[in-house]
Amino acid sequence: GNSVTQMEGPVTLSEEAFLTINCTYTATGYPSLFWYVQYPGEGLQLLLKATKADDKGSNKGFEATYRKETTSFHLEKGSVQVSDSAVYFCALSPSTGFQKLVFGTGTRLLVSP
Amino acid sequence: EPEVTQTPSHQVTQMGQEVILRCVPISNHLYFYWYRQILGQKVEFLVSFYNNEISEKSEIFDDQFSVERPDGSNFTLKIRSTKLEDSAMYFCASSAGTGTGELFFGEGSRLTVL
Repeated sequence: GNSVTQMEGPVTLSEEAFLTINCTYTATGYPSLFWYVQYPGEGLQLLLKATKADDKGSNKGFEATYRKETTSFHLEKGSVQVSDSAVYFCALSPSTGFQKLVFGTGTRLLVSP
Repeated sequence: EPEVTQTPSHQVTQMGQEVILRCVPISNHLYFYWYRQILGQKVEFLVSFYNNEISEKSEIFDDQFSVERPDGSNFTLKIRSTKLEDSAMYFCASSAGTGTGELFFGEGSRLTVL
């Protein structure tokens, strides 16, 4: 079946450090891949997405590349800020299915000044 | 900016009681969803709803669960007889279409069953 595995948190970094949050997936067909972010007290928000192999999604300095050969969609940011502190969820949407997102467990990122 | 709103933010109930969680999706959206996250576990799909009927549901969404869009704005999730294992954060979401993958989520309703 379809599943998403992402690294355990929390990830604790100092401001301006480089961020990587690993995400791998298992899926049949050609899923779309997403990163959602949940800031404290808010709902999940779409951060970026990629709909086919080798696509790179990017937003707010975050990037992730859809790697079919390694079934991965790792989230990266070159220089994190305190305001990036949040929970990050990797997710996939099956190639068939009605927006039925399959999520990972979420990774909490804590950035200190 | 339009947003999905959910009420209540937190509800505590006794096992066996009925619970209704309410959601107001974004006004021009057509597709509505409920997801839940048990503490420490993954966010799980429960049900999707379109054109006043369920379009897909997961194996979690058994006869104890129901959804309704009673008027033009609200979208509700009812749990008829709550169990301890229903304790979770419940997220409502809506989307304009099925093609983009962009779901707009509410802040969630935390349900605690004692």
